[in-house]
Amino acid sequence: QSALTQPPSASGSPGQSVTISCTGTSSDVGGYDYVSWYQHHPGKAPKLIIDEVTNRPSGVPDRFSGSKSGNTASLTVSGLQAEDEADYYCSSYAGGKNFVVFGTGTKVTVL
Amino acid sequence: EVQLVESGGGLVQPGRSLRLSCAASGFTFDDHALHWVRQAPGKGLEWVAGVSWNSGTIGYAASVRGRFTISRDNAKNSLYLQMNSLRAEDTALYYCARDWSQSYYRGFDYWGQGTLVTVSS
Repeated sequence: QSALTQPPSASGSPGQSVTISCTGTSSDVGGYDYVSWYQHHPGKAPKLIIDEVTNRPSGVPDRFSGSKSGNTASLTVSGLQAEDEADYYCSSYAGGKNFVVFGTGTKVTVL
Repeated sequence: EVQLVESGGGLVQPGRSLRLSCAASGFTFDDHALHWVRQAPGKGLEWVAGVSWNSGTIGYAASVRGRFTISRDNAKNSLYLQMNSLRAEDTALYYCARDWSQSYYRGFDYWGQGTLVTVSS
């Protein structure tokens, strides 16, 4: 049960796009379509922005989109805005003994 | 309004026990699975444990299995985490998180503000 691998950091200028990868195995990301993404501003509760790989919960801007190929899921933030600067975490169901696993986290900086 | 309010955190010595609670309101409690997620100082999010709506499915992270017990009381709209044999590495902010589904894991759509657990002598 190892953490999913994310790049430590990503950045872009306002209006640009940034894509964050989330790499797991066939036992988690690759084995289930239960991948979620969370936005976490320090001092606040995390916020669900994508679930079931591509679904955007109500109220989440369509600038956020998710995808998956094999054992790697991705989050793309288009049209970067200052308020998008935060930590982003992926998460996946991992079967087995009913595990859930988070990614290592990516700090997104808006330049 | 959905609310999840954690309590029970504090300073505890290594090897001792602590019980966290999460009081829920604003939604039909037994329509949702619930989980505990923690964040150690300066670290990322770590899933700790989860329980389905009827306690039929329960899971634990390897780091806490055998020491922590998750439970829920649907009559009291409450989630619990009994933490035994605490270690320094259990020091973290513990969040209660609601899954949007009954089953077990689809995504955590509401989170509490967290309760801080510090394990130190």
